[in-house]
Amino acid sequence: KAGVTQTPRYLIKTRGQQVTLSCSPISGHRSVSWYQQTPGQGLQFLFEYFSETQRNKGNFPGRFSGRQFSNSRSEMNVSTLELGDSALYLCASSSGQGTLSSYNEQFFGPGTRLTVL
Amino acid sequence: AQSVTQLGSHVSVSEGALVLLRCNYSSSVPPYLFWYVQYPNQGLQLLLKYTSAATLVKGINGFEAEFKKSETSFHLTKPSAHMSDAAEYFCAVTLNYGGATNKLIFGTGTLLAVQP
Repeated sequence: KAGVTQTPRYLIKTRGQQVTLSCSPISGHRSVSWYQQTPGQGLQFLFEYFSETQRNKGNFPGRFSGRQFSNSRSEMNVSTLELGDSALYLCASSSGQGTLSSYNEQFFGPGTRLTVL
Repeated sequence: AQSVTQLGSHVSVSEGALVLLRCNYSSSVPPYLFWYVQYPNQGLQLLLKYTSAATLVKGINGFEAEFKKSETSFHLTKPSAHMSDAAEYFCAVTLNYGGATNKLIFGTGTLLAVQP
């Protein structure tokens, strides 16, 4: 099976612009989660989508949004970019069909490195 | 609220020496605990996971971790370090939501250096 793919891998934007990042999960996976990784704040959960519905959200401003399509591919959008949005954005996919006694192992993509100038 | 604390942002060991990376968790309900590894310019790879089965968990690349409820710890060990183990390691926790969420809460990471 192909792994999680993220596009683009690198992106440079200027303050005030907006950006859209894409994540294609492993085939058959219905859950996609997004994380932001920065040297100062570490790895922080942004949001999770399952079957096109957002089922969990982290503590990020409304400038950060996402969506999931019927084929489980997901996009996240950041509007009005700030310097502090420079980060590695990681996407993770899982089957999303765990039970009380099991866990949905997540598989991470290589990330998109966003630089805001 | 759940959280994990990793003691030591940088750890340096000699090749062949014991690797010990520390992680303590805080959770009001039975947690699921994980160790991930990240190599430069790559995503995260799962090393091992604790999901309330055996307290001693064996993972990939010779790593293992022991869940100790009395100490709220989940330290990662490897008997003999290899140069290829040099990477950043993250401890993470998630609640047993019965599959309702996959949200992971990560520690701040420990950068492992292996000296020849």
